[in-house]
Amino acid sequence: GAGVSQSPRYKVTKRGQDVALRCDPISGHVSLYWYRQALGQGPEFLTYFNYEAQQDKSGLPNDRFSAERPEGSISTLTIQRTEQRDSAMYRCASSLLRSSGTSTDTQYFGPGTRLTVL
Amino acid sequence: QKEVEQDPGPLSVPEGAIVSLNCTYSNSAFQYFMWYRQYSRKGPELLMYTYSSGNKEDGRFTAQVDKSSKYISLFIRDSQPSDSATYLCALTKTSYDKVIFGPGTSLSVIP
Repeated sequence: GAGVSQSPRYKVTKRGQDVALRCDPISGHVSLYWYRQALGQGPEFLTYFNYEAQQDKSGLPNDRFSAERPEGSISTLTIQRTEQRDSAMYRCASSLLRSSGTSTDTQYFGPGTRLTVL
Repeated sequence: QKEVEQDPGPLSVPEGAIVSLNCTYSNSAFQYFMWYRQYSRKGPELLMYTYSSGNKEDGRFTAQVDKSSKYISLFIRDSQPSDSATYLCALTKTSYDKVIFGPGTSLSVIP
């Protein structure tokens, strides 16, 4: 079946512009995560949702960053007034549901959106 | 001190070698330990996960967790060129908590 998809794959924008990055999770996946990954680094947690509810947004760097998932499926990460330091790969992942006990859900990652802020 | 540390490599080994990849962490509250593999220009994919201390084996891959030393390892036996990728350790405190990734170790297996 189809995996996690993200669009656009590449986004070049000028400093000060707003950008919206889209994530379409695997069908039926309840949990959705946003990460930022710098070159040569591991993914850095930004925020995650169960259904439409934002469970944790502690990783969002500042109030220019926001995310929503209004119908519990597609999610949008919005960066307002972009700055050059926002340039990075933004990755989305989804999983069936964060579980309890000794098991943990597999997160399936999308191909990412490469954001470049000039 | 960073929460999770890995030797960034690059690590280069001949085909068939045994590879040892390691992570150290600082917070004893972590209970779930995962290894992800990331090929160039691709997203990470889960290889293995372990809950608490102990060993777990899956084919050529073995994950070890030593919570007393805050040290986790991934061993790859009979390494193949297709194993060439970046390996990321990932940790979480509870099954509902955010996942913290290490910076990754780049591995090249030379035919």
